[in-house]
Amino acid sequence: SQTIHQWPATLVQPVGSPLSLECTVEGTSNPNLYWYRQAAGRGLQLLFYSVGIGQISSEVPQNLSASRPQDRQFILSSKKLLLSDSGFYLCAWSDTVGRLNTEAFFGQGTRLTVV
Amino acid sequence: GDSVTQMEGPVTLSEEAFLTINCTYTATGYPSLFWYVQYPGEGLQLLLKATKADDKGSNKGFEATYRKETTSFHLEKGSVQVSDSAVYFCALLFPVNQAGTALIFGKGTTLSVSS
Repeated sequence: SQTIHQWPATLVQPVGSPLSLECTVEGTSNPNLYWYRQAAGRGLQLLFYSVGIGQISSEVPQNLSASRPQDRQFILSSKKLLLSDSGFYLCAWSDTVGRLNTEAFFGQGTRLTVV
Repeated sequence: GDSVTQMEGPVTLSEEAFLTINCTYTATGYPSLFWYVQYPGEGLQLLLKATKADDKGSNKGFEATYRKETTSFHLEKGSVQVSDSAVYFCALLFPVNQAGTALIFGKGTTLSVSS
């Protein structure tokens, strides 16, 4: 069966420090991968999606970047965190191509607090 | 562009009360529609889905019907329980390019059920 792992679960980082959140998927190949952010009062916002290794698309310009160095690995990064980067970050995966009725499967999330 | 609008929360109900959470969408074509649930401190889980007009998704006593004419996908439950307390997200699936799809979420509706 497929599983998705996201870590760390919680993180407190000072303003200006770097960030690296990692997400890995097991039990499937060539998944679509996503990073979402859930900020207070703003719902769930799609940040990045990837349809393959090295292929990253950004939905919202911001202080963050994403990379996909391996088929089932998706990394969210920042060189210098801002206070506004605080939030709950969720990684997700779904099946690919032509499966327009497929659902997405979410990791447990990372609570990031920038202080 | 495609979007999802949910009723604002929080929604506070007594146990065994009837629940409705409104969701409407804007999209080109006929996207698949979903309801996800997020229990405290956890990631998102799929609650139910519908892939075409007039489909009814159902799970755990919750139901939602895909209404093309009103572009709606309202979530209902006849008798809520304390364990239903969570944040509920309406979402639609849209193609992000020729190879992939992504979910767009509403802002979420917090449901609190008291005994």
